[in-house]
Amino acid sequence: SQKIEQNSEALNIQEGKTATLTCNYTNYSPAYLQWYRQDPGRGPVFLLLIRENEKEKRKERLKVTFDTTLKQSLFHITASQPADSATYLCALDPSSGDKLTFGTGTRLAVRP
Amino acid sequence: ETGVTQTPRHLVMGMTNKKSLKCEQHLGHNAMYWYKQSAKKPLELMFVYNFKEQTENNSVPSRFSPECPNSSHLFLHLHTLQPEDSALYLCASSQLGQGANGYTFGSGTRLTVV
Repeated sequence: SQKIEQNSEALNIQEGKTATLTCNYTNYSPAYLQWYRQDPGRGPVFLLLIRENEKEKRKERLKVTFDTTLKQSLFHITASQPADSATYLCALDPSSGDKLTFGTGTRLAVRP
Repeated sequence: ETGVTQTPRHLVMGMTNKKSLKCEQHLGHNAMYWYKQSAKKPLELMFVYNFKEQTENNSVPSRFSPECPNSSHLFLHLHTLQPEDSALYLCASSQLGQGANGYTFGSGTRLTVV
């Protein structure tokens, strides 16, 4: 069956360091991969989208890589800040755009 | 405010009640979605409306009934729910047909079934 795996344990890092979150998937051939941020009690907020033929995408302090051979995406936040503390969700899209499937998310805590 | 508004924010209902969740988007998107988010579980896609037509129903029990009267509004009608239906219900919208786009989510309705 299709599976999207994100580290369920929280990631704790020091302010200023780079946070790296991992998304692995099996039995899936996504055309697109998306990353979202979710704060407690709120809906997810879209951050970045990367296509299957793209290796890397950047937006300000964020960087996403997509390796379709390894079936893995890495999400990096450079120069992390306490305000970056949240849960980050990986989501896969088969191609149609209307069947986005989410992972369970990884909670990031950035210490001052 | 994300452009997707959900009401109410919180709802407590008994198992014999009937209630409705409302979602409204002001983004001009042509697709709307209902997701369920339970603790320690990934978001579960419940229903998809594409150009007002329901295109997905992921084996959702009939006690959940969606309605999409126009491309800006989406409802989720609830009746005879079970305690395990308690969760955060999220509405989202997106623009289909112009390449891949991210979803815009509302803040959700926190539902508690007692």
